[in-house]
Amino acid sequence: AQSVTQLGSHVSVSEGALVLLRCNYSSSVPPYLFWYVQYPNQGLQLLLKYTSAATLVKGINGFEAEFKKSETSFHLTKPSAHMSDAAEYFCAVSDLVGTASKLTFGTGTRLQVTL
Amino acid sequence: KAGVTQTPRYLIKTRGQQVTLSCSPISGHRSVSWYQQTPGQGLQFLFEYFSETQRNKGNFPGRFSGRQFSNSRSEMNVSTLELGDSALYLCASSKDRGGGYTFGSGTRLTVV
Repeated sequence: AQSVTQLGSHVSVSEGALVLLRCNYSSSVPPYLFWYVQYPNQGLQLLLKYTSAATLVKGINGFEAEFKKSETSFHLTKPSAHMSDAAEYFCAVSDLVGTASKLTFGTGTRLQVTL
Repeated sequence: KAGVTQTPRYLIKTRGQQVTLSCSPISGHRSVSWYQQTPGQGLQFLFEYFSETQRNKGNFPGRFSGRQFSNSRSEMNVSTLELGDSALYLCASSKDRGGGYTFGSGTRLTVV
């Protein structure tokens, strides 16, 4: 079975500072990896996805993530945090079983952005 | 284009009752998945439907069931509600396996 570990349930950064949210995965097959963001009382919004093409993936709102097979990591970064980035972020791996598929999520990281 | 639509947004039910939640996927998306989100357990997969067939099922009791119609719209049903069923239920649709899943805003179910 595949799994995802997100290190740090809460991360606090100053506005303008680098954002780094960590995600490590476990998979017996080449994984599809995703980052989602959730704002209060909302569903999940896809930030970016890795599907075995380029290892550096660029997403929306200035976020990007790098797939590192040797480290089984898929960390999310943004060079300069904005107040509007405050939200909860989820890393997920797609578990493809035959023709079926499902997402297995990490426990989430709540990002706080301070002035 | 329209996103994934879930109805209702909020629901309050009494223990022992049953509830039906609805999800309309993005036009052209044939895969619909359901997830339960709670503070204690996080995001957990319930089931996935494709072309009216359940393709995958998570580890939930039989009280949780679902179906998909020929127009890809999906419903999930929870019977004999328990307090622990209080959660945000999220529906996601996808065009193909492993692709990006688009989520709806969810239905917040409160069981009292």
